[in-house]
Amino acid sequence: EVQLVESGGGLVQPGGSLTLSCAASGFVFSSDWMTWVRQAPGRGLEWVANIKQDGSKIYYMDSVEGRFTLFRDNAKNSLYLLMNSLRAEDTAVYYCARDHDYKIDYWGQGTLVTVSS
Amino acid sequence: QSALTQPPSASGSPGQSVTISCTGSSSDIGSSNYVSWYQQHPGKAPKVIIYEVTKRTSGVPDRFFGSKSGNTASLTVSGLQGEDEADYYCSSYVAHNTYVFGTGTKVTVV
Repeated sequence: EVQLVESGGGLVQPGGSLTLSCAASGFVFSSDWMTWVRQAPGRGLEWVANIKQDGSKIYYMDSVEGRFTLFRDNAKNSLYLLMNSLRAEDTAVYYCARDHDYKIDYWGQGTLVTVSS
Repeated sequence: QSALTQPPSASGSPGQSVTISCTGSSSDIGSSNYVSWYQQHPGKAPKVIIYEVTKRTSGVPDRFFGSKSGNTASLTVSGLQGEDEADYYCSSYVAHNTYVFGTGTKVTVV
């Protein structure tokens, strides 16, 4: 059974930093692109970033480019999202998900990031 | 990349059908064979129900039907049931392995 478990969310002040982690199991982690999708409270889904199987290609949405860094550790079956210079508009539930054959087919339960003073 | 446009809400009685539209552009839906639909119940993670425009994920009943014409994709749910009450999001693969989601539609079974 595919499982994705996020951790690392919490309350952070504007301008602060936070690192999200995602532990994957139940599939060959190193064989798939992985992605983060976020959802602000009461709002829709927003694709944030994704990373190729070997980490050689990474893509970000425009508003997080230069502030967020996505990386993975295939030996640990883990995905990470380092978030710097956080803004109020980054407040959201962040979902770790598998990006398989051009569809996002498995999702974690999400971790809430709140940016507020 | 701007979000794809969906109606905020749709409703139908049990047994009726409802169709949700998802309008994009020639840069996303119009040029992509990789349009997906996601169902999200309150407090839960989204679940993919349709992928590659028309294909149903394993276990999804054939009451769910996906289609596309030009820059607009559609999801039709026939024979509405109470469990279909949820938020629905479309998504399109765009260039450079990125995705864009729709604004979301809340389906109510009245």
